[in-house]
Amino acid sequence: DTAVSQTPKYLVTQMGNDKSIKCEQNLGHDTMYWYKQDSKKFLKIMFSYNNKELIINETVPNRFSPKSPDKAHLNLHINSLELGDSAVYFCASGPTTGTGSKNIQYFGAGTRLSVL
Amino acid sequence: QKEVEQNSGPLSVPEGAIASLNCTYSDRVSQSFFWYRQYSGKSPELIMSIYSNGDKEDGRFTAQLNKASQYVSLLIRDSQPSDSATYLCAVFKAAGNKLTFGGGTRVLVKP
Repeated sequence: DTAVSQTPKYLVTQMGNDKSIKCEQNLGHDTMYWYKQDSKKFLKIMFSYNNKELIINETVPNRFSPKSPDKAHLNLHINSLELGDSAVYFCASGPTTGTGSKNIQYFGAGTRLSVL
Repeated sequence: QKEVEQNSGPLSVPEGAIASLNCTYSDRVSQSFFWYRQYSGKSPELIMSIYSNGDKEDGRFTAQLNKASQYVSLLIRDSQPSDSATYLCAVFKAAGNKLTFGGGTRVLVKP
């Protein structure tokens, strides 16, 4: 039973299109995250939600809009896709924000986005 | 200066040897430290966490933390070909409330 699941696993689309990626966790965690891993394998946080409230919003183009309908789900919608958006997007979840083991994050399998 | 720095490698080690990976971080108020393993085409998987100075051992893995030197390391004993992967160092600090990753060290274990 997958703990953090993302769909789709692969996404190939044309420039200018709008697409969404969905994430669900069944670990009972309060906090969920979106990360982007580029071609150089650098993993960078984009957004974080704690119990449906946005708590981290890094310098990300406003074409990217996260939505959390409940604490078990965090979706990412991307408008007007550009070539530079091609990357692997990982969803992650963690018990809560705080110290020590509360900062451990568990990752989904990733969504490989290719913009043509 | 990057917040979390790692040597990108590849670090090539013979099977059965010890692989030693290093990570430095820039912010002294960092609180929690993690090592993730990422196989090619897969997601990061947590292998070690460490929160206080000293060593922490788990099976063939030992994490070492030195907050004064802002340095965290990972030792892999008796390296196996299945340990070939990229190892990501991650640092959490309460200010900003986020986990920052290094660029990863690629490890190749040769039979």
